[in-house]
Amino acid sequence: DTEVTQTPKHLVMGMTNKKSLKCEQHMGHRAMYWYKQKAKKPPELMFVYSYEKLSINESVPSRFSPECPNSSLLNLHLHALQPEDSALYLCASSQDPSWADTQYFGPGTRLTVL
Amino acid sequence: AQTVTQSQPEMSVQEAETVTLSCTYDTSENNYYLFWYKQPPSRQMILVIRQEAYKQQNATENRFSVNFQKAAKSFSLKISDSQLGDTAMYFCAFMKPYNNNDMRFGAGTRLTVKP
Repeated sequence: DTEVTQTPKHLVMGMTNKKSLKCEQHMGHRAMYWYKQKAKKPPELMFVYSYEKLSINESVPSRFSPECPNSSLLNLHLHALQPEDSALYLCASSQDPSWADTQYFGPGTRLTVL
Repeated sequence: AQTVTQSQPEMSVQEAETVTLSCTYDTSENNYYLFWYKQPPSRQMILVIRQEAYKQQNATENRFSVNFQKAAKSFSLKISDSQLGDTAMYFCAFMKPYNNNDMRFGAGTRLTVKP
């Protein structure tokens, strides 16, 4: 099973709302990632978690707050977002953070900020 | 910093024919990994093929093969016997080992397979 699941599939929120995106994998992977993808653009890395610890934060604004409660679950908490934050948010996982393992992607959450 | 360049924003191919997507990259590293990912209109990113730089043999996965030219820093993807289901955005990606799996993507090539 190489499945990464993400919920919700679509999210519309106002600039004053607080919402969360959820990502789950049951492949025993120990690295998990958040990417942001604007329309017709490649994914851009936001955060990397290795063994449930944040190892990369690509200078992402603090209105995005990642959380890794356990090795199977990754959350992205959203607060006071801007319309330009509207994008597809992709989660991915890979087996070993210390090796260049293949990343498996979820279907994404389409976020619209009004 | 590593950069990945895909010079073909859009391509099209007739069903059953062969098409080659180009990718070049810039790095000073000797050991690294290259990937082709496919993102169909339904948007889930799927790994197509992976190449380790230390391997001279070109990777192959069924109808998909790569032409890896390390000295030229080129990594093209060949799709043989194109099928309608191959219509997608194709991203070339680069990764250094021991770098928290930080993967960098090219801008992508939108491939349309025509019946």
